Amino acid sequence: NAGVTQTPKFQVLKTGQSMTLQCAQDMNHNSMYWYRQDPGMGLRLIYYSASEGTTDKGEVPNGYNVSRLNKREFSLRLESAAPSQTSVYFCASLSGQRNTGELFFGEGSRLTVL
Amino acid sequence: AQSVAQPEDQVNVAEGNPLTVKCTYSVSGNPYLFWYVQYPNRGLQFLLKYITGDNLVKGSYGFEAEFNKSQTSFHLKKPSALVSDSALYFCAVRDVAGGFKTIFGAGTRLFVKA
Repeated sequence: NAGVTQTPKFQVLKTGQSMTLQCAQDMNHNSMYWYRQDPGMGLRLIYYSASEGTTDKGEVPNGYNVSRLNKREFSLRLESAAPSQTSVYFCASLSGQRNTGELFFGEGSRLTVL
Repeated sequence: AQSVAQPEDQVNVAEGNPLTVKCTYSVSGNPYLFWYVQYPNRGLQFLLKYITGDNLVKGSYGFEAEFNKSQTSFHLKKPSALVSDSALYFCAVRDVAGGFKTIFGAGTRLFVKA
């Protein structure tokens, strides 16, 4: 059981380049999330998808777009990368019932923007 | 708006001693509260949660947490710390009325000395 799988694990970009972070879960969860983790700031929610076909902004959505491709997959796109987007990105999916379940996280994608 | 505060960047404790990692929260309605642990270069793992009922909840690896509504706190505790407990700990809150968003604190690094 793979859980939540993120690709790539590492990426270096130049300012202005674009890229997509991929996330897939095999637990049949409805809700999926993208967070970024920065030192001293914990995890901040970028976007989430409560169910297939819906997406909503989180705390820090600027500079990002998302696609909920199907129930399994939720991708995060940086259209024009900036150094401020250097971070570790985590995808997560929500287990159980709507509000009471816990999040399952991927291993993270470390992005450096030069 | 939801928010979580973890007032200590780092907690140091000797192996065998009890440990406490502090967390306070702010939500407009009733909270669902969570603790997660992160080991180096890994994603977050769920430890325990408070949904309703008994204020003292027990979780994985001997950890427990106490919900205190009047103090809006949810401190993580363990009676006897292990060196292997050394990691980064995150408190998180979900507003019952807020749907699917989970907001995390900045994290507290626990260092257990042998």
